[in-house]
Order: sequence, then structure tokens, then C-alpha cells
Amino acid sequence: SQQGEEDPQALSIQEGENATMNCSYKTSINNLQWYRQNSGRGLVHLILIRSNEREKHSGRLRVTLDTSKKSSSLLITASRAADTASYFCATAPRWTDKLIFGTGTRLQVFP
Amino acid sequence: DVKVTQSSRYLVKRTGEKVFLECVQDMDHENMFWYRQDPGLGLRLIYFSYDVKMKEKGDIPEGYSVSREKKERFSLILESASTNQTSMYLCASSSPERWSFYEQYFGPGTRLTVT
Repeated sequence: SQQGEEDPQALSIQEGENATMNCSYKTSINNLQWYRQNSGRGLVHLILIRSNEREKHSGRLRVTLDTSKKSSSLLITASRAADTASYFCATAPRWTDKLIFGTGTRLQVFP
Repeated sequence: DVKVTQSSRYLVKRTGEKVFLECVQDMDHENMFWYRQDPGLGLRLIYFSYDVKMKEKGDIPEGYSVSREKKERFSLILESASTNQTSMYLCASSSPERWSFYEQYFGPGTRLTVT
């Protein structure tokens, strides 16, 4: 099964609202990364949080990591129509060198 | 900026054909990856390479092979295309050493349809 599972699978909001996506995983990790994918395109790296970090910010993005609950959240504040995309978490498990991607959250931001 | 390019955005092939998907990166990255992406399944790793002529199987290598003759180029080969290989194929590269600590840079993807 997938190492990372995003929740919700789909999210629709109005411009200006905040969007929160969650990711849960199953084993110990070295780091967790969030990626964004515009429709039919490749993925773009957004932010990486290491296992010893609890929170990280990048512009309108805020990522939290709770290793005790094996979960992470991505918050996009003051969303824009251009934020419409799919968002994926990717975990780097301790027992392997691979990145394991989840199935993604599809975010729709209406103008 | 890192640039990862893929030879085709869209490709239509017939069952049984040999298919080559090419990926080129311009950042001198040692590590390169091939994924396939299917609805509801996320990204699944097919093969990865950590050096020229070096390769390792990912999670779903069956029906695929790879070639890395030059550092900047990583090719995915479908020896005999089948309809269940219809998918979006994504190539990525990353910095060397402990590569899973570092971000992966993705190409735009190739949407392959096998009829």
C-alpha cells in the first residue's frame, strides 16, 4: 500500500480562503516533501521538512510534521485561482532510499 | 534553473511495438528516475539510476528496461508495449549522495497510449 495517503482526495474553495491538506504515513521517515502538479504536467517541489523539524514556512505555504502521529499537513493561505492543482506528499522512509508518493489531493480554487 | 526534458508530450503506439522514452537533464545530477502515474495510484517508481550504466529496479519494473549511457540522459524502454502500459510517464532527477534527502526535479511527462 502507499506509504503516504493524502486527505481529502479533493477540495474546492473560494479565492482568499485557506486550504489544508493532510498526509499520513506508516513507517519512520528521514523527511517528508510536498509537490504540486498542474493538470497534465510534471511535479514541482514545494517544500521539504526533515524528521527533526515540526514546522516550516515558505511564502504562503506552511507545513507541519508530527512524527508521533506519522502525519503532516500542508496549509496554503489566501489561496488564488492559480493554486488549482494536485498536491502530493512524498516520504523518504528510513529503511529505503526511495521516495514514496501518495495519491494526491486535487485542489480547485474558484475565483 | 534545473531543466528536465522528455522527448514527447504525447505518444500513441500499437501493441507489441518497442517504445523508447527519452529524458535529459541539464544539472549534472547523478540520480535519475522513471515513474508512471495512474489515476488513484499516485506515482510508482519503475527504475532509477544513480550513475552512468548503473540502474536499480523500482516497484514495478516488469515489462520495462532502462539505459543510461550518458550522465544527462536516461531512457525508458518498453520492450513490447501492451495496453496496460497506457499511462503518464514522468522522469525526474536529483542531487547525488543521500538522494532521498533532496528534492526531485521532474520533466513535463509523456502521456503514452497503447492501442
